[in-house]
Amino acid sequence: EPEVTQTPSHQVTQMGQEVILRCVPISNHLYFYWYRQILGQKVEFLVSFYNNEISEKSEIFDDQFSVERPDGSNFTLKIRSTKLEDSAMYFCASRGGGEQFFGPGTRLTVL
Amino acid sequence: AQKITQTQPGMFVQEKEAVTLDCTYDTSDPSYGLFWYKQPSSGEMIFLIYQGSYDQQNATEGRYSLNFQKARKSANLVISASQLGDSAMYFCAMSGGMGGSYIPTFGRGTSLIVHP
Repeated sequence: EPEVTQTPSHQVTQMGQEVILRCVPISNHLYFYWYRQILGQKVEFLVSFYNNEISEKSEIFDDQFSVERPDGSNFTLKIRSTKLEDSAMYFCASRGGGEQFFGPGTRLTVL
Repeated sequence: AQKITQTQPGMFVQEKEAVTLDCTYDTSDPSYGLFWYKQPSSGEMIFLIYQGSYDQQNATEGRYSLNFQKARKSANLVISASQLGDSAMYFCAMSGGMGGSYIPTFGRGTSLIVHP
């Protein structure tokens, strides 16, 4: 069964460093998303991506965040200069029809 | 604006019994979708079930069923014959709008513990 994959599963970084979180969506899906979930809190939408451009973004998705689809399969989230409060679980999701399918998440820890 | 409310922060159920997890929503969109996701302690989000606002019948997927009451704006998840592996956080979510991308809204989640 096709699934969304994410790498790495856990990333530890120093405050101020850049991180890139990678996702491989389901191959025939056209809509891609990033979410984050701070420990113990609800899932928050960050950004959606369609037709090689951002279609919607939340107020969380400020200038330090960027997304890219560098090739036909990967979908990346870059955080330019990480802050302590960026520590969270980051989920990628993709959608073809009605429902979104989530990846297993990347746990980002900023020290 | 869309809003999802899950009023039960925690629920307990005996193994093999059924349990209902509550979810109410509010939206002005005539077309919307309702989802339930399971998040085990390992952290991944697992899609369980989907209900479209125009679907005539309640969605079912194995032991999961969605009790969709449109007039009451509720979309409760029913898990029949609970298993120990059902212990997890459960999130209700709603999407809205026609076609294209959309921003789904998640509830705060309900923690389900299944007792042996």
